[in-house]
Amino acid sequence: DQQVKQNSPSLSVQEGRISILNCDYTNSMFDYFLWYKKYPAEGPTFLISISSIKDKNEDGRFTVFLNKSAKHLSLHIVPSQPGDSAVYFCAARGSNYKLTFGKGTLLTVNP
Amino acid sequence: GAGVSQTPSNKVTEKGKYVELRCDPISGHTALYWYRQSLGQGPEFLIYFQGTGAADDSGLPNDRFFAVRPEGSVSTLKIQRTERGDSAVYLCASGTGDSPLHFGNGTRLTVT
Repeated sequence: DQQVKQNSPSLSVQEGRISILNCDYTNSMFDYFLWYKKYPAEGPTFLISISSIKDKNEDGRFTVFLNKSAKHLSLHIVPSQPGDSAVYFCAARGSNYKLTFGKGTLLTVNP
Repeated sequence: GAGVSQTPSNKVTEKGKYVELRCDPISGHTALYWYRQSLGQGPEFLIYFQGTGAADDSGLPNDRFFAVRPEGSVSTLKIQRTERGDSAVYLCASGTGDSPLHFGNGTRLTVT
């Protein structure tokens, strides 16, 4: 069973518009949620995170929202830039600081 | 300094052979993780080291897989009697305290 789900395999947006990537989880014991960005032939790179006791964290163009009651989080990128085109992974932290990842969403930002 | 380094970047081997994949974590990082990413999937946890000991190896798929970290720094993931289903990108990550994990670029293993 998948504990972290990213239901959209891909998303295409226009440069300058908002990108919204979604993630759902099932395990209420996760205490921290992270977004990683991955370019081809590279490892995942940490982007932004949020503690389970918060509902929003913002860092520049990136904002992560957490809705604990719905077990849902989302990553907002605004304004989107072509360099943001990559695969975005949602990850949740459990015991032993172990991360459980979703399958990823391929974001394409068109110029 | 440098990030997490993984060697080789690519490895092609024949079914049934033995392979070793190496990970050099960021200096000072006590925690080291191995993940495996198959095509179209997210990274999946294999094993976690805190210092020299394997604190959690619950993700290792079977006893053909083994990992060591003898001096608490470099780690080697060892796969015996490789099978075609072992083909994937093997990712190593390191971290310390509460900080997010830093990943290497991975080793792409292809078993023919």
